[in-house]
Amino acid sequence: DAGVTQSPTHLIKTRGQQVTLRCSPKSGHDTVSWYQQALGQGPQFIFQYYEEEERQRGNFPDRFSGHQFPNYSSELNVNALLLGDSALYLCASSLDTSEAFFGQGTRLTVV
Amino acid sequence: SQQGEEDPQALSIQEGENATMNCSYKTSINNLQWYRQNSGRGLVHLILIRSNEREKHSGRLRVTLDTSKKSSSLLITASRAADTASYFCATASFRGYSTLTFGKGTMLLVSP
Repeated sequence: DAGVTQSPTHLIKTRGQQVTLRCSPKSGHDTVSWYQQALGQGPQFIFQYYEEEERQRGNFPDRFSGHQFPNYSSELNVNALLLGDSALYLCASSLDTSEAFFGQGTRLTVV
Repeated sequence: SQQGEEDPQALSIQEGENATMNCSYKTSINNLQWYRQNSGRGLVHLILIRSNEREKHSGRLRVTLDTSKKSSSLLITASRAADTASYFCATASFRGYSTLTFGKGTMLLVSP
């Protein structure tokens, strides 16, 4: 079992650009959640996907959007990047209300 | 917004000593989970305790939950240098499915 895998591991983008991050959930998990972790902070919930629909959303602007595919993998898209979007983006997969398993994250730097 | 607060923010101990970290939260929960993070990498799930449980053990880890005080503690016994990491508590609400609300974490340094 490969666990949760995220790609890419590191990314540098310029302000105003768009970025897509990818996540493959742990085998058997149908729910994918995305979190943003700024330096020195705990992760903050962005949104959660279940059955290809956005089920819950945190306090993030519409520039943050996502998608879940039939194989449960997911993408996080961020448009019009700001310097403040620089962070570690974590994907977590789970099954119902069980423990969430996290990937290694994508380190996004906006310059 | 952060739901919980870990205490202390940082903890420095010697190998072999026990480390205790505390977490307080604000709203009713379905479960509480503890995670470890090494050097800003991914989060490693340590243990989940449900709201109807009071104590749980896993290897050198012991977690307690007091829902009346809205608090939890994580005890790591006989710590090792490899335990050096940041530790986060995260709560899941009844209506929040498996979405988690994290605290800011405790940085643990275990010196040889």
